[in-house]
Amino acid sequence: DVKVTQSSRYLVKRTGEKVFLECVQDMDHENMFWYRQDPGLGLRLIYFSYDVKMKEKGDIPEGYSVSREKKERFSLILESASTNQTSMYLCASSFGGGTSGQGRGSEQFFGPGTRLTVL
Amino acid sequence: GQNIDQPTEMTATEGAIVQINCTYQTSGFNGLFWYQQHAGEAPTFLSYNVLDGLEEKGRFSSFLSRSKGYSYLLLKELQMKDSASYLCAVMADSWGKLQFGAGTQVVVTP
Repeated sequence: DVKVTQSSRYLVKRTGEKVFLECVQDMDHENMFWYRQDPGLGLRLIYFSYDVKMKEKGDIPEGYSVSREKKERFSLILESASTNQTSMYLCASSFGGGTSGQGRGSEQFFGPGTRLTVL
Repeated sequence: GQNIDQPTEMTATEGAIVQINCTYQTSGFNGLFWYQQHAGEAPTFLSYNVLDGLEEKGRFSSFLSRSKGYSYLLLKELQMKDSASYLCAVMADSWGKLQFGAGTQVVVTP
């Protein structure tokens, strides 16, 4: 079974703090994603990585950065947390290009989420 | 831009059938996914369509019409445990990125 784990289920931080959210997957997936989920807005892509040390901005990258030093680990960084970054953060992984990454093989597997509250 | 629309909420009775519609306008199309998400949990895969037509999997079926930019998820013989949010997601590129709709909250009543 694919397993995607996130470092915390709940996190409370103060405005201005630097926040690290960690995600680890054990299926040797090339692709990893960070989303935030807010009521009425659905899942919105923050950043995407298709290989080690590679990253691409998603739809809402402002205020966030990412790091992917190893294939299995993808970190989301809030350089200076703000109250409007209070949200549920979901990490996901999937196969990349090639045969395994086509069609159903491109299914994304999600971690349990981190509910971040910034006070 | 990308646009994926689905109803916000639907209510149905246990044992009934519910159809959740999803319409999309995206710059490309490489398949459409449906995910189920229970409150406080991660989304889990339900179905994938890339060709027109109906895919059936037990009590759940998913339909796609690419020419109309339209899909639906059909839930039959509803059970209380089917109360969840259902997410429609389109893969618009070949990299594997998904564009999600806002989700449809299905409430199953006794």
